[in-house]
Amino acid sequence: DQQVKQNSPSLSVQEGRISILNCDYTNSMFDYFLWYKKYPAEGPTFLISISSIKDKNEDGRFTVFLNKSAKHLSLHIVPSQPGDSAVYFCAASVWDNAGNMLTFGGGTRLMVKP
Amino acid sequence: NAGVTQTPKFQVLKTGQSMTLQCAQDMNHEYMSWYRQDPGMGLRLIHYSVGAGITDQGEVPNGYNVSRSTTEDFPLRLLSAAPSQTSVYFCASRFDRASYEQYFGPGTRLTVT
Repeated sequence: DQQVKQNSPSLSVQEGRISILNCDYTNSMFDYFLWYKKYPAEGPTFLISISSIKDKNEDGRFTVFLNKSAKHLSLHIVPSQPGDSAVYFCAASVWDNAGNMLTFGGGTRLMVKP
Repeated sequence: NAGVTQTPKFQVLKTGQSMTLQCAQDMNHEYMSWYRQDPGMGLRLIHYSVGAGITDQGEVPNGYNVSRSTTEDFPLRLLSAAPSQTSVYFCASRFDRASYEQYFGPGTRLTVT
């Protein structure tokens, strides 16, 4: 059973508009959430994160929103640019004996059309 | 800094063959891990290491071995390759087990026929 789910495998958006990528989780013990971006033939790179004690974190065009009661996370990209076309993974962290353990969602492929 | 490097980039194996995927990092990170990426499944943890000489199993460890003799290197061994191990493999590192942000290598695309 996947603890972190990205229910939209793909999303297509026009350049300049808002992209909204969604992520749902089931484990209420997750205390930190991250978004990674992945281009073809490259490894994922860190994009933005949020602690469970916050409900919003902003970095330039990227904003992550956390709704703990709904166990829902979203990434907003405004305005979207063609260079944002990539696969986006959300990840959630929980502390156990081995340290912070990350669980990843299945990814959403974003296509930004010029 | 080169960051996290992986070799080879591509590999084709026949069922039953063995091989080692190499991973190295030059950031003096304590924590290293191996993931596999399959369509719709995201990144699943195979094995991880919290420091030299210490390794442990992740979510999908069967068919893989690891060792960590140095801080820099964390090779992943496939003992007897199976078609189910066809995947893209990513090595990652982070400063220590308490940190969150991971740095990923470019990946190895493995096909087992």
